[in-house]
Amino acid sequence: DTGVSQDPRHKITKRGQNVTFRCDPISEHNRLYWYRQTLGQGPEFLTYFQNEAQLEKSRLLSDRFSAERPKGSFSTLEIQRTEQGDSAMYLCASSQPGLVAQETQYFGPGTRLLVL
Amino acid sequence: RKEVEQDPGPFNVPEGATVAFNCTYSNSASQSFFWYRQDCRKEPKLLMSVYSSGNEDGRFTAQLNRASQYISLLIRDSKLSDSATYLCVVNPAGGTSYGKLTFGQGTILTVHP
Repeated sequence: DTGVSQDPRHKITKRGQNVTFRCDPISEHNRLYWYRQTLGQGPEFLTYFQNEAQLEKSRLLSDRFSAERPKGSFSTLEIQRTEQGDSAMYLCASSQPGLVAQETQYFGPGTRLLVL
Repeated sequence: RKEVEQDPGPFNVPEGATVAFNCTYSNSASQSFFWYRQDCRKEPKLLMSVYSSGNEDGRFTAQLNRASQYISLLIRDSKLSDSATYLCVVNPAGGTSYGKLTFGQGTILTVHP
């Protein structure tokens, strides 16, 4: 399978614990995005990387959230001191930049987080 | 005002029906537009890009009206397999905002026999 992969697919944790999610983009895609989706809503942008550089972070990404892409390939998203409001699906997407109308983001299956 | 607004539905239609979804966006400088489809508990998947001249892909037709900041999706001859949530997506213009997709909340479609 050459699509975007995410691990784990599901995570249940207790409030206050730290969690880390991993995303492996489509190979040779140099842009990688993280989104968060809550029930009944569309995905919301969190942050994105071009190669290893983190170029933008949403105001949704509080100090408890950190994302890295150290070698410009896979990325991790860590949430420290989780809160119940962090429960959501965390989606990763990757793209290969091209002409405006041609850049398509391909999404991974997501990591569904439940904070008890 | 939300950046991308959609009627959440749900739309319940019989097989073979024609159904249309509408979407408005607030950023007049937005560059590119898409419809994504999301099945229950799955990731969004690109259905089609939307071009200024309008475009068609089989039973699906997308239209863009930049003056009114309005996007539409028409599905003809609905199939049971079309049941899903349809997400209107806008890619804002320029600089580091490029690629930061903005999603509507989605319109739920259920096609019944």
